Formats: sequence, C-alpha cells, structure tokens
Amino acid sequence: KAGVTQTPRYLIKTRGQQVTLSCSPISGHRSVSWYQQTPGQGLQFLFEYFSETQRNKGNFPGRFSGRQFSNSRSEMNVSTLELGDSALYLCASSLGRMGNEKLFFGSGTQLSVL
Amino acid sequence: DQQVKQNSPSLSVQEGRISILNCDYTNSMFDYFLWYKKYPAEGPTFLISISSIKDKNEDGRFTVFLNKSAKHLSLHIVPSQPGDSAVYFCAAPPNTGNQFYFGTGTSLTVIP
Repeated sequence: KAGVTQTPRYLIKTRGQQVTLSCSPISGHRSVSWYQQTPGQGLQFLFEYFSETQRNKGNFPGRFSGRQFSNSRSEMNVSTLELGDSALYLCASSLGRMGNEKLFFGSGTQLSVL
Repeated sequence: DQQVKQNSPSLSVQEGRISILNCDYTNSMFDYFLWYKKYPAEGPTFLISISSIKDKNEDGRFTVFLNKSAKHLSLHIVPSQPGDSAVYFCAAPPNTGNQFYFGTGTSLTVIP
C-alpha cells in the first residue's frame, strides 16, 4: 500500500507570495490533517479534513486554508507569506474514526520564505 | 496551550544502555497515547501506543509506561542502538476529532 505522498518536497518563496501544498493520503483513509513543524515548537495542528469537510481547526491565522477533494486528496494554501511561515509542513492521514487510531505522515514539504 | 509536554529537548545514551524519554500531559480526558519517531527530512513514523486501561505496553525493545495519576508517560528503549538516534514525539488524540496534540520532541542520540 502506498504511503502518504506530499508534493513538492521543497519550496522557496518570497514574502507576500502564496503557496499551495498537496497531499495524497493512504488509499481508504478519509481523514487528512496538516501540521506545521518549526524548531523547538513541535508539531502544531493546522486543520483536519474528513469527507471534504473541515472538522477541526488549529490556532492559525486565516492566511492558512485548506480543502479536501472527493478522492480524499488535500491541498493546503498559505497566502501573503511571512518569514515566520518557514517550516516543515506535514500531512497525515487516517481512517478518521474518533478516538484511538494512528496518524500516518508524509515526508513533508519544507517551505522556505525569503 | 501545551497539553502534551516533553521537557527534555535532548538525550544522549551509550549504545546498549537504556534510553528513557518522558512525556507529561495536562488533560485528564486523554485516554490514548502514541509515540512517534522522526528522522531528519522525513515524516514521523508511529512507534508504539498505549491505552489508558493499561499501564504498560511492550513491543520488542520499546516499552511505554503510563502513570495516570501523575499524568506522565515514558518510553523505554532497551538496548539502545545507534539507529534509534532520532527525535521522539509523544502525542495524544482528543476524544473527539483528529486534532492530535504533540509534545515538542526529544532528540535522542545513541553513541556507539
């Protein structure tokens, strides 16, 4: 079974630009979550989508948005990029059941904002 | 608010010895915990989990202990191997939704 696939792996943008990151979950997984990892901050939850609906949202500004398609693939968009948005963005998929289940992560997209 | 905390950013251990990584949580509603391992430039991979109905779960060299009264869990790796050198995150999902709470991670270095 193929794992979670994130594209692109690396991205360099300048302040003020916007960026779109893509995530293909494991086949059969209906939940896709996005996390931001910065040094010393661990993994900060951005949002979670299940069956094309945003089910949970973390404490990030409205510049961060996402969507999920009918095939469970998801995209994350960041508009008006700031230097502080430089981070590793991780996508994770799961079956989407409430409670005790595991997240399966992709390799991430390393975003650098100059 | 940091509902899951890992207070040790780094840990160095000699090969063959025990590694103990600690994690504290504040939300008494958490009833399931996971440990993830992360190598540089890769996504985290699931390592081991424990349900609150247990106080110990073992999988090969990895054992997780849960102390509910202290809201504390620990990951023991015995014996430690150089390939275990990675960042370890503890995590807890809430009872509703998939918003997992992650600790800030502990970077383990196993010295050959």
